[in-house]
Amino acid sequence: DAGVTQSPTHLIKTRGQHVTLRCSPISGHKSVSWYQQVLGQGPQFIFQYYEKEERGRGNFPDRFSARQFPNYSSELNVNALLLGDSALYLCASSFELKDYEQYFGPGTRLTVT
Amino acid sequence: GQQVMQIPQYQHVQEGEDFTTYCNSSTTLSNIQWYKQRPGGHPVFLIQLVKSGEVKKQKRLTFQFGEAKKNSSLHITATQTTDVGTYFCAGRDYGQNFVFGPGTRLSVLP
Repeated sequence: DAGVTQSPTHLIKTRGQHVTLRCSPISGHKSVSWYQQVLGQGPQFIFQYYEKEERGRGNFPDRFSARQFPNYSSELNVNALLLGDSALYLCASSFELKDYEQYFGPGTRLTVT
Repeated sequence: GQQVMQIPQYQHVQEGEDFTTYCNSSTTLSNIQWYKQRPGGHPVFLIQLVKSGEVKKQKRLTFQFGEAKKNSSLHITATQTTDVGTYFCAGRDYGQNFVFGPGTRLSVLP
């Protein structure tokens, strides 16, 4: 079975632009979480979606939004990009909502110039 | 809000030596997970601990959850070069989402 997939792998954007990152969970997994990982730090929780509904939100500004589709894939959108948004964006899927191991995708490396 | 700390930040060991990383939470946790991230890679799930005082072993790795469910440790016996990477703990507060610690970066000298 394929693991968690994310696209694109790398992305370079300019300040003020908008970006959409995509994630496909492992088949059968209903929960998708998004994390931001700045170089040298641990992943920071952004959102969790389960059965197409937002079930958790981290301490990120409203410029960050996400959604989950009927096939459980997910998109993370970031508006009005800032230099500080440069990071590795990780998607993690799990079978259920809570207390299940999270399987991470390879991430999308976003650079904002 | 909930804070998760890890020590040490870095650890350099000679191959064959033991290694331990400690994780401490500012709040009582419902459970804790451990992940390993190789350089340039993504976090990979290692284990989940749920019960107070729980100890789990995976070959050379031993994981412990404190009695108060506010701290945890990962011990690697006789490190190998394949153990190189950053080890993260992720603690979940009751009703909240997982909070990752800053990680302990392990380097193993052959």
